[in-house]
Amino acid sequence: QSVLTQPPSASGTPGQRVTISCSGSSSNIGGHTVTWYQQLPKTAPKLLIYTNNQRPSGVPGRFSGSKSGTSASLAISGLQSEDEADYYCATWDDSLPGPVFGGGTKLTVL
Amino acid sequence: QVQLQESGPGLVKPSETLSLICSVSGYSITSGNYYWSWIRQHPGKGLEWIGYMYPSGNAHYNPSLRSRVTISGDTSKNQLSLKLSSVTAADTAVYFCGRVLLYYSETNGYSIWVDPWGQGTLVTVSS
Repeated sequence: QSVLTQPPSASGTPGQRVTISCSGSSSNIGGHTVTWYQQLPKTAPKLLIYTNNQRPSGVPGRFSGSKSGTSASLAISGLQSEDEADYYCATWDDSLPGPVFGGGTKLTVL
Repeated sequence: QVQLQESGPGLVKPSETLSLICSVSGYSITSGNYYWSWIRQHPGKGLEWIGYMYPSGNAHYNPSLRSRVTISGDTSKNQLSLKLSSVTAADTAVYFCGRVLLYYSETNGYSIWVDPWGQGTLVTVSS
């Protein structure tokens, strides 16, 4: 059971905008920045968003991140079939102390 | 272009020590700007930090694994290693290595991310 809570699944149709939430507490998201990873089927995770809302070069602008208080969100606009993947949030947790991942959200493009 | 490649036995017997190597190319692990990490993923499950090390040799481990884990570096070979002792079936997982950026600011707290990742290697614990 992760200290970061993500919905196990999400879905959308092509072209739609979907959001994936990541809920934490003051000891993690509330005090530190959030990272998002995309894991396509049978591949290694890939950095998608860092420092709450920054995209590495090569990541399409359709992906955006935000943080408010003890929660964070990943938004994907103009959903495409190739976006079907597992998405993980991550941050630092003072309770460990150390880095933690969310449980992951499986995104299905209908 | 930085690339990481995990290698090691795909099958380990219970109670033995799991040993993996991560070979890094395109960047020196001694450059000092990054940490180097191991992360695992149980079959069909989420990601779990194992730990990370700084080139100086300092290492930080997941408290749940700390008593069994050692992460170290071989600077002459530009490699990172993972040793996990007394393994059980619960240690069956895909093991990834990755380059980590970790820093702290008064304004935003800690920022930590892994980029890039190795492709991962499946280790099965079974007799």
